[in-house]
Amino acid sequence: SQQGEEDPQALSIQEGENATMNCSYKTSINNLQWYRQNSGRGLVHLILIRSNEREKHSGRLRVTLDTSKKSSSLLITASRAADTASYFCATDGVQGAQKLVFGQGTRLTINP
Amino acid sequence: DAGVIQSPRHEVTEMGQEVTLRCKPISGHDYLFWYRQTMMRGLELLIYFNNNVPIDDSGMPEDRFSAKMPNASFSTLKIQPSEPRDSAVYFCASSFRGGARGNTIYFGEGSWLTVV
Repeated sequence: SQQGEEDPQALSIQEGENATMNCSYKTSINNLQWYRQNSGRGLVHLILIRSNEREKHSGRLRVTLDTSKKSSSLLITASRAADTASYFCATDGVQGAQKLVFGQGTRLTINP
Repeated sequence: DAGVIQSPRHEVTEMGQEVTLRCKPISGHDYLFWYRQTMMRGLELLIYFNNNVPIDDSGMPEDRFSAKMPNASFSTLKIQPSEPRDSAVYFCASSFRGGARGNTIYFGEGSWLTVV
């Protein structure tokens, strides 16, 4: 079963608006990562947040982590048409294992 | 670095045929992962290797699927015999020291498999 579940499944906004995507997971984690997938391409790493961190920034990206609620959010500010893609959260979740388990993803569409 | 290289990028095959997907990980990476992506099931981990040794193959759907990593620079995922429900995008990915330590997993561009 999936460890991470993203919400919403699809999001459509106007260029310049902020986009927020959420991820919930089931078991304790060491780290949570966000990846992006452009149509027809492989996944690309965006940002990582460790379990002892609450918030992290990278350019127009802001990630938060609430381990008590087992949830994370990805905020993209001042969205651009080029941000159109699917966004996935990935968690380890299994002690000792080095694999990442991905959620179903949020399909983000930025309308010009 | 060239990144993770997968071949073929696209393959259309008939049901019952053998399919072999190939992957060259990033040089120096010690973990290699095979994922499958479909609309219905999302991104599923099939198997992963550490230092060429299979560690977890619990995601391999059935005996028709097999994966090998004969050396640090090459891995194959084989489906024999193939079935229409195997149609999916198969991703190979690699990392240094694994994903659970917060290390980035680098994905290839995928092999798009259609079984008719």
